[in-house]
Amino acid sequence: DTEVTQTPKHLVMGMTNKKSLKCEQHMGHRAMYWYKQKAKKPPELMFVYSYEKLSINESVPSRFSPECPNSSLLNLHLHALQPEDSALYLCASSQDALVRPNTEAFFGQGTRLTVV
Amino acid sequence: AQTVTQSQPEMSVQEAETVTLSCTYDTSENNYYLFWYKQPPSRQMILVIRQEAYKQQNATENRFSVNFQKAAKSFSLKISDSQLGDTAMYFCAFMRTTDSWGKLQFGAGTQVVVTP
Repeated sequence: DTEVTQTPKHLVMGMTNKKSLKCEQHMGHRAMYWYKQKAKKPPELMFVYSYEKLSINESVPSRFSPECPNSSLLNLHLHALQPEDSALYLCASSQDALVRPNTEAFFGQGTRLTVV
Repeated sequence: AQTVTQSQPEMSVQEAETVTLSCTYDTSENNYYLFWYKQPPSRQMILVIRQEAYKQQNATENRFSVNFQKAAKSFSLKISDSQLGDTAMYFCAFMRTTDSWGKLQFGAGTQVVVTP
């Protein structure tokens, strides 16, 4: 099983709403990532969790709040978002944060978020 | 800082033909990894091929091969016998060996369209 599952696949939310994105993997990976991807642009790193602890926050606004309840699950809580936050949000996981031969980062199919 | 440049926004190729995507990068590092990722309409980022900078031999994965020119800092991807399923955005990416997976530096991407 080399799958990273993200739910929901699509989400429309108002600027006053609170919603959460979910990411799950069962590969025993200990590093998980959130990326933001605007249309026709490459992904941009938001957060890195390593062994369930936040290790990198790329100066993301506080209206995005990550959470890693256990080694298989990663959430992204959303609150008071702006229309410019509309994007594809990708989750990824890897064995651990370091690059090693014969390891790779696996990506989910993303959540397409629209803020209205 | 590292930069990755993909100068071809879009390439079109007919089925069974060959297409080559260009990628150049700028770094002062001697040890690093280079990757090509594919993002089809399903949105999932899929690793196509990777190259360790210390290896002189060009990496190949079935119909995908790279031409790695370390001195020129060039890392092109050749897709042979193109198939309709190869239609996707292709991202070149760079990472130092001391970085974590989250620190992938992506290029702007090249949209490949395979036509019947």
